Amino acid sequence: DGGITQSPKYLFRKEGQNVTLSCEQNLNHDAMYWYRQDPGQGLRLIYYSQIVNDFQKGDIAEGYSVSREKKESFPLTVTSAQKNPTAFYLCASSTRKSTAFFGQGTRLTVV
Amino acid sequence: GESVGLHLPTLSVQEGDNSIINCAYSNSASDYFIWYKQESGKGPQFIIDIRSNMDKRQGQRVTVLLNKTVKHLSLQIAATQPGDSAVYFCAEKREAAGNKLTFGGGTRVLVKP
Repeated sequence: DGGITQSPKYLFRKEGQNVTLSCEQNLNHDAMYWYRQDPGQGLRLIYYSQIVNDFQKGDIAEGYSVSREKKESFPLTVTSAQKNPTAFYLCASSTRKSTAFFGQGTRLTVV
Repeated sequence: GESVGLHLPTLSVQEGDNSIINCAYSNSASDYFIWYKQESGKGPQFIIDIRSNMDKRQGQRVTVLLNKTVKHLSLQIAATQPGDSAVYFCAEKREAAGNKLTFGGGTRVLVKP
């Protein structure tokens, strides 16, 4: 079953804690992306990666960190420095010349 | 600055009519444009895409038009159905920027029976 898998679907975090969201793809895509979506809003780019061991900041990278040690995986860590982390987080992947496909998202809530 | 924007936040359409969703972009270096459909609580679903060297592309019940002169992109949905009710996003991709993929603000389409 090919595609992009995000886990967990729902995540709760206490204030001051770091939390890591998982994104795995078995599509053999080079590029991977992380977006944040707030209620009724569009998708804002957090980080993206063209290739293993390389990634670039998007438009709202502050308070987040990523790694790209394997082609299949692009985990996102929401750090305690992110002041308003409650949101819907979406991961995507693509080849260089084609469209991007999305996972089903992780809804993070700070309690 | 670079941006991908939408003209209308909400579009109400009678079932069976055609829908047209518009999108403006500002970066003439964009290589690739994509339309997505997002239902509540789910990830965006790919609808159709178009490369910057094309003017028109058709899919099943959908057509994307690209006007590079005025930097305008549109999605036409023929014979709109209740299942088409969702939020639609346009996105642009730039290979020279490391395949950065940027989204517009979204248009909500409501199909009336």
